[in-house]
Amino acid sequence: GNSVTQMEGPVTLSEEAFLTINCTYTATGYPSLFWYVQYPGEGLQLLLKATKADDKGSNKGFEATYRKETTSFHLEKGSVQVSDSAVYFCALSPRMDSSYKLIFGSGTRLLVRP
Amino acid sequence: GAGVSQSPSNKVTEKGKDVELRCDPISGHTALYWYRQSLGQGLEFLIYFQGNSAPDKSGLPSDRFSAERTGGSVSTLTIQRTQQEDSAVYLCASSSRDSREAFFGQGTRLTVV
Repeated sequence: GNSVTQMEGPVTLSEEAFLTINCTYTATGYPSLFWYVQYPGEGLQLLLKATKADDKGSNKGFEATYRKETTSFHLEKGSVQVSDSAVYFCALSPRMDSSYKLIFGSGTRLLVRP
Repeated sequence: GAGVSQSPSNKVTEKGKDVELRCDPISGHTALYWYRQSLGQGLEFLIYFQGNSAPDKSGLPSDRFSAERTGGSVSTLTIQRTQQEDSAVYLCASSSRDSREAFFGQGTRLTVV
């Protein structure tokens, strides 16, 4: 079946530290991959996406590369800010699935301290 | 509207009562999804509508849950005979026909007391 596994949080970092949030997936075929972010008190927002192997999605200083060989889509940022504190969700949309439904990981809470 | 709109934003109901949650998708979006986010948990898929096709109901947790989408636009999620374990944030999202990028509403926080 299709599933997403991401590292458990919370992840606590100091401002300007390097961030990695691991995400691996299981899927039939080649899914599209996404990172969504949920800031405190707000709804989910798409952060970045990649639709095929070796694609790199990037936005707001965050990056993630679609690695087919390791079935991974790890989220990275070189220098985090306090405003990046949020819950981050990795998700996939199976290409073989006509319903296009997004399958989410359990989320990773990031707390950035000044 | 500019984004996905959900109402009410908060709902407190007594155990055993029925509730209706409403979602207005982004204008022109043909796909509409409902998800549930329980406290401290991830996002659980409930149901998906795409145009006039039969909905994918594979995520509905029990027959107390149902959803409809009228005129290919507004959707209502109905929970009958609510139970305390139904307490969660119910999220609606929409996307265009050929895009897998879903835009989410702010959610409805349901509390069953």
